[in-house]
Amino acid sequence: EADIYQTPRYLVIGTGKKITLECSQTMGHDKMYWYQQDPGMELHLIHYSYGVNSTEKGDLSSESTVSRIRTEHFPLTLESARPSHTSQYLCASSPFYEQYFGPGTRLTVT
Amino acid sequence: GENVEQHPSTLSVQEGDSAVIKCTYSDSASNYFPWYKQELGKRPQLIIDIRSNVGEKKDQRIAVTLNKTAKHFSLHITETQPEDSAVYFCAVTTGGFKTIFGAGTRLFVKA
Repeated sequence: EADIYQTPRYLVIGTGKKITLECSQTMGHDKMYWYQQDPGMELHLIHYSYGVNSTEKGDLSSESTVSRIRTEHFPLTLESARPSHTSQYLCASSPFYEQYFGPGTRLTVT
Repeated sequence: GENVEQHPSTLSVQEGDSAVIKCTYSDSASNYFPWYKQELGKRPQLIIDIRSNVGEKKDQRIAVTLNKTAKHFSLHITETQPEDSAVYFCAVTTGGFKTIFGAGTRLFVKA
């Protein structure tokens, strides 16, 4: 079934650790996005990509990196996790403008 | 950069009444204006959208209106039902596909 997948769904990690959040989509969409969202609150754009080998920074990009080596895969890496990174991370993909969201990764940094 | 303001932050209506949520934006180059609904514990889902060359779009009980001159657009929900209770987000996308979301409106529909 065509969908967008995120792993892990839940992650508890200590301060200073390096982590990678995975996002994959089987819909063949060119554009992909990462957002940070506290439950029910505003979505903050972290990074986005137009397609393979293209990445752009959003408003919250300074403490993370992304890569887009394959169309279907758009991982997000936090180099050094901090308690302020505790939040939900949503990945989305888009064929043009409308976005389809994954189920999210709930990250807790202790 | 683009700034999107959404009002009200919370809206409580009686079942059967109408609900209106408004968003204003700053970048005149913005050309796509979607609305997403997020139920508790679920992912956001697109419910309706409008392009910059259209003034109004309707889909059953929901409609969106766009005023490009004034840089605002609104979501209208008629005959509200308890299952309409959720957080609603407006968003604005530029030609470069960068998307900025509003802060959200928590809608409560009382039975």
